[in-house]
Amino acid sequence: DGGITQSPKYLFRKEGQNVTLSCEQNLNHDAMYWYRQDPGQGLRLIYYSQIVNDFQKGDIAEGYSVSREKKESFPLTVTSAQKNPTAFYLCASSIGSSGGTDTQYFGPGTRLTVL
Amino acid sequence: GQQVMQIPQYQHVQEGEDFTTYCNSSTTLSNIQWYKQRPGGHPVFLIQLVKSGEVKKQKRLTFQFGEAKKNSSLHITATQTTDVGTYFCAGRGGKLIFGQGTELSVKP
Repeated sequence: DGGITQSPKYLFRKEGQNVTLSCEQNLNHDAMYWYRQDPGQGLRLIYYSQIVNDFQKGDIAEGYSVSREKKESFPLTVTSAQKNPTAFYLCASSIGSSGGTDTQYFGPGTRLTVL
Repeated sequence: GQQVMQIPQYQHVQEGEDFTTYCNSSTTLSNIQWYKQRPGGHPVFLIQLVKSGEVKKQKRLTFQFGEAKKNSSLHITATQTTDVGTYFCAGRGGKLIFGQGTELSVKP
């Protein structure tokens, strides 16, 4: 059963703590993405990776970090430097530039709440 | 920079009425994609339009890409309660930019 998994579904963290959100895909996609969604707003790109061991900042990268050590995995760390981290975080993947399309396949999302 | 605007932000309709959401880009697009996000869910890809003036249909959904490749629309004929959700366009200029979405509610 191919797809993208994100864990956990709900996450609570105390202010000042770093937290890492998991994203795994078994679609054999080259490209992976992290988006942030706030109520009434569209999807804003945090980071993306076109290939293993390489990633690029998106529009709102400040306060976040990522790694791409394996093709299947693209974890996102929300650091204490992120001023307003409470949001719905969506991971996505696409075939990549070699496939000629960037249709996004989304995971179920992680809802992060900072207390 | 590239911007993608989507209107309206909210639309409330009676079941059986039609619904349209519009997407406008500040720059010419190479393609435009449409996604649907059910309440509490994640966006799911619906369709991609590539050609100028392209029209595609999926049952009661009709998607159009403008002649200038700067705007697009999604029209739903005779809405049903299963159509409830937020519809996003995403335009590919230099990069893929998502619109703010249109949240559709349908009253039975």
